[in-house]
Amino acid sequence: GDSVTQMEGPVTLSEEAFLTINCTYTATGYPSLFWYVQYPGEGLQLLLKATKADDKGSNKGFEATYRKETTSFHLEKGSVQVSDSAVYFCALYKSSGDKLTFGTGTRLAVRP
Amino acid sequence: EADIYQTPRYLVIGTGKKITLECSQTMGHDKMYWYQQDPGMELHLIHYSYGVNSTEKGDLSSESTVSRIRTEHFPLTLESARPSHTSQYLCASSEERGRHPGYTFGSGTRLTVV
Repeated sequence: GDSVTQMEGPVTLSEEAFLTINCTYTATGYPSLFWYVQYPGEGLQLLLKATKADDKGSNKGFEATYRKETTSFHLEKGSVQVSDSAVYFCALYKSSGDKLTFGTGTRLAVRP
Repeated sequence: EADIYQTPRYLVIGTGKKITLECSQTMGHDKMYWYQQDPGMELHLIHYSYGVNSTEKGDLSSESTVSRIRTEHFPLTLESARPSHTSQYLCASSEERGRHPGYTFGSGTRLTVV
């Protein structure tokens, strides 16, 4: 079945450091890919999305590019802030399965 | 501003009690979902609904039940709570938009059964 694999956390960075959170997927067909963010004590919020190969999703300084050849959707940010501390979930969606499949989440902690 | 509301935010309850977690959305979405989030953060789909009078079990077996009598309301019930039910429960809804399902999540209910 479809699955999403994320790098294990926690990831701890200093403020203004470069961030990469790896995400790879296994799926047949052409899924849409997403990054969701969960701030402490909150539900999930959509951070960015890409619906086809080579699409780049971006929001709030975060970016991820849909790479079909490597089945990857890595999340990057050039300069993280303390306020970016949260849990990040990679997810895929196929209309045929009609549900989101989530990775296990990666916790990011940013030190001042 | 949240368009999907979950109550209560936190609940501590004794073993054997019956509880209902409330979830309501104001967006007119047909599809609604319940996820259980374990302490390790992983999300498990436990129930979903495609509309009024439609309910289905998700990927993770759960002793909870759901109902969908109104489009905007999707409550989850545990008839007899146990410590193993301690978890965070997240409700979500989505609109049908082809390749982008547009999930909106509530803030969650953190349940502790003692």
